[in-house]
Amino acid sequence: EVQLVESGGDLVQPGGSLRLSCEASGFPFSHYWMHWVRQGPGKRLMWVSRINIDGSGTVYADAVKGRFTISRDNAKNTLYLQMNSLRVDDTAVYYCAREKNWYEEYWGQGTLVTVST
Amino acid sequence: QSALTQPPSASGSPGQSVTISCTGTSSDLGDYNTVSWYQQHPGKAPKLIIYEVTRRPSGVPDRFSGSKSGNTASLTVSGLQAEDEAYYYCSSYAGGNKKTFGGGTMLTVL
Repeated sequence: EVQLVESGGDLVQPGGSLRLSCEASGFPFSHYWMHWVRQGPGKRLMWVSRINIDGSGTVYADAVKGRFTISRDNAKNTLYLQMNSLRVDDTAVYYCAREKNWYEEYWGQGTLVTVST
Repeated sequence: QSALTQPPSASGSPGQSVTISCTGTSSDLGDYNTVSWYQQHPGKAPKLIIYEVTRRPSGVPDRFSGSKSGNTASLTVSGLQAEDEAYYYCSSYAGGNKKTFGGGTMLTVL
């Protein structure tokens, strides 16, 4: 059974940093491209970032480019999202997802990031 | 990347059919056959129900079907059941190594 478990969400002040993790199991993690997708308080989904199978290729949404960094450790079956210079509008539930041809096949349960004073 | 446009709400009675639209542009949805649809119940993660415009993952009932014409994709739910009440989101590759989602449609089963 495919499982994706996110962690690392927290309350952080504007300008702060946070690292999210997503532990994968039930499938050969190193064979799949992965995504981060977020869902803000208004419930709109927003694609955040994508990483290829060995971590050498990454792309980002314009809203987070230059502030967020996606990475992976295939030995640990874990996906990461390093978030710097956080803004209030980064507040959201962050989901990791296994990708196939630009669609998200499987999703984790999400982790909440709140950016506030 | 601009968001795709969905109606905020849709409704139907049990047993009826409902269609939810998703409108993009010739630069995203209209140019690629990568439309996907997701169902989300309150407090749960989204679940893939349609991919590559018309294909259904294993385990998704055939009451769910997808189509596309020009810059508009559609999700049809036939034989509505109470458990179909949920948010539905469309998504598409948007070119330039980006993807975009719709704003979501709340489907109510009356």
